[in-house]
Amino acid sequence: KAGVTQTPRYLIKTRGQQVTLSCSPISGHRSVSWYQQTPGQGLQFLFEYFSETQRNKGNFPGRFSGRQFSNSRSEMNVSTLELGDSALYLCASSFGAGGGYGYTFGSGTRLTVV
Amino acid sequence: SQQGEEDPQALSIQEGENATMNCSYKTSINNLQWYRQNSGRGLVHLILIRSNEREKHSGRLRVTLDTSKKSSSLLITASRAADTASYFCATDAGTSGSRLTFGEGTQLTVNP
Repeated sequence: KAGVTQTPRYLIKTRGQQVTLSCSPISGHRSVSWYQQTPGQGLQFLFEYFSETQRNKGNFPGRFSGRQFSNSRSEMNVSTLELGDSALYLCASSFGAGGGYGYTFGSGTRLTVV
Repeated sequence: SQQGEEDPQALSIQEGENATMNCSYKTSINNLQWYRQNSGRGLVHLILIRSNEREKHSGRLRVTLDTSKKSSSLLITASRAADTASYFCATDAGTSGSRLTFGEGTQLTVNP
């Protein structure tokens, strides 16, 4: 069974641009979460979606947004990129409505802002 | 900010030895999960322990949870070079939905 697929794997963008990252969860998983990983801040929660509804949002500025489609696929968007947005962005999916089943993570999208 | 603190930050052992990593957290939780990460790639779910459980086993892994001390430990027995990775604990304290709060991680190196 296919795992969580994130595209693209690598991305280089210029300050001020915007970027869209994509995540396809495991078939049957309706919960999708996004995390940012940086050497300085570690792993930080961005958002959680379930059945197209955002249920939780982390402490990130409004430049970070996301959505989930009816097939559970999710996208996150970062507008007006800053150098500090350079990070590994990880998507995770889960079978249930909460985290009680554990999450399956994708390999991530490594975003570099220059 | 990170809820969890892990220690040690780094651990180096020989193949065949046991590795123990500890995690402390600050608030009440629904469950605690351990993940492994190889070289900045995706996280691999290892084990989940619910707040009403005290110990759980999975293969060479043993996890304990002490909610009174707000702490957990991960024991890897008979370690192998392939166990070399970063290990993270993550707590789920969500009341509506789920959000994991990760510790800073322990870098485990198993020398052949």
